[in-house]
Amino acid sequence: NAGVTQTPKFRVLKTGQSMTLLCAQDMNHEYMYWYRQDPGMGLRLIHYSVGEGTTAKGEVPDGYNVSRLKKQNFLLGLESAAPSQTSVYFCASSYAGGYDGYTFGSGTRLTVV
Amino acid sequence: KQEVTQIPAALSVPEGENLVLNCSFTDSAIYNLQWFRQDPGKGLTSLLLIQSSQREQTSGRLNASLDKSSGRSTLYIAASQPGDSATYLCAVRPSSGNQFYFGTGTSLTVIP
Repeated sequence: NAGVTQTPKFRVLKTGQSMTLLCAQDMNHEYMYWYRQDPGMGLRLIHYSVGEGTTAKGEVPDGYNVSRLKKQNFLLGLESAAPSQTSVYFCASSYAGGYDGYTFGSGTRLTVV
Repeated sequence: KQEVTQIPAALSVPEGENLVLNCSFTDSAIYNLQWFRQDPGKGLTSLLLIQSSQREQTSGRLNASLDKSSGRSTLYIAASQPGDSATYLCAVRPSSGNQFYFGTGTSLTVIP
């Protein structure tokens, strides 16, 4: 089925470890986004991309890096994980301008101990 | 910055009841508004998308309305069922910028 796929679905990290979350979409969407969702905080934008080779900061970018080397993939990296980064991470994609809204992945549940 | 508010945070209704979920936003210069459903531990499923030029959208038992001038949208659910139990989120896409802004959601429980 067409859509947004996130890997992994679950991960436990120790403080200071690094990891990369992968988001892949097969809808030929130009825009891709990484959000984190925390209880009582709603969804907050970490980084986004408006096309291959582009990235931009969102609302809460500190501690994260991203790359969009291919149009269909958007990677979110944590260089040195902290307990404050324990969260559920969602990737989303849309056509340019979002005229047809967002399509979301199923999420990655990350725990940093 | 666009602020999106959803009240109430939680709602419990008996099965069969019609209900309305509310979403308000601070800046009426929007491009579109999207309603999502999120089941516990799951991702977001799109329910309805309303463009700024539209007043409402319907899908089955769901009807979403948009009043830009007052900064409000409502999601009407007819004849609620236990399977409707979930968190409902609204997201607003401003006319300028590249992101949607989300409310914190309304957690709906439909009691059999």
